[in-house]
Amino acid sequence: GAVVSQHPSWVICKSGTSVKIECRSLDFQATTMFWYRQFPKQSLMLMATSNEGSKATYEQGVEKDKFLINHASLTLSTLTVTSAHPEDSSFYICSARKFRRPRLNTEAFFGQGTRLTVV
Amino acid sequence: QQQVKQSPQSLIVQKGGISIINCAYENTAFDYFPWYQQFPGKGPALLIAIRPDVSEKKEGRFTISFNKSAKQFSLHIMDSQPGDSATYFCAASKETSGSRLTFGEGTQLTVNP
Repeated sequence: GAVVSQHPSWVICKSGTSVKIECRSLDFQATTMFWYRQFPKQSLMLMATSNEGSKATYEQGVEKDKFLINHASLTLSTLTVTSAHPEDSSFYICSARKFRRPRLNTEAFFGQGTRLTVV
Repeated sequence: QQQVKQSPQSLIVQKGGISIINCAYENTAFDYFPWYQQFPGKGPALLIAIRPDVSEKKEGRFTISFNKSAKQFSLHIMDSQPGDSATYFCAASKETSGSRLTFGEGTQLTVNP
């Protein structure tokens, strides 16, 4: 199956600093990537949809100036948590959609997640 | 509203038993229904998926049953094993528009040896 690699797997940062998380599709091109946030024992909450070469689309309630998303190539999307605070501590997961023609296939492949702890 | 309701929240099954997790959706435009398995500290992994043109899909010990009229679908894990202990999420999306997945709340499955 397709592989989506997310880096780093975990990161601890001081309050007020910024953290960048990378999401790469290793063996396919992904025009669209998704960023999720997951709190303990909860479901995945979509934060934003990242489209290659254009601005990301953020879900309601997600601060776009705090969670900067860049999708500069067909295999890389980055999420930068700016001026992180303890309440930003969470598990962040990216996914990429692999489309197969002639029939569209919405199979989504997920990265391994990044555990962010802000102290 | 695009919601997917999942139950139960947690499930304990004995080894060899059948685990059943149910989901219900509201948006009749959904046409792709995957199930994901997630282990602690890991991202979700696709387990099995179904489209509404069939009522059942089986892959190994995992079966999805789909009831279009009731807008419900379920995951059955036959011969459940301790290694199946994980959190399971159902999801739904509109395939042709390539839209994002809407996830259920998740079910914590524990299979006792």
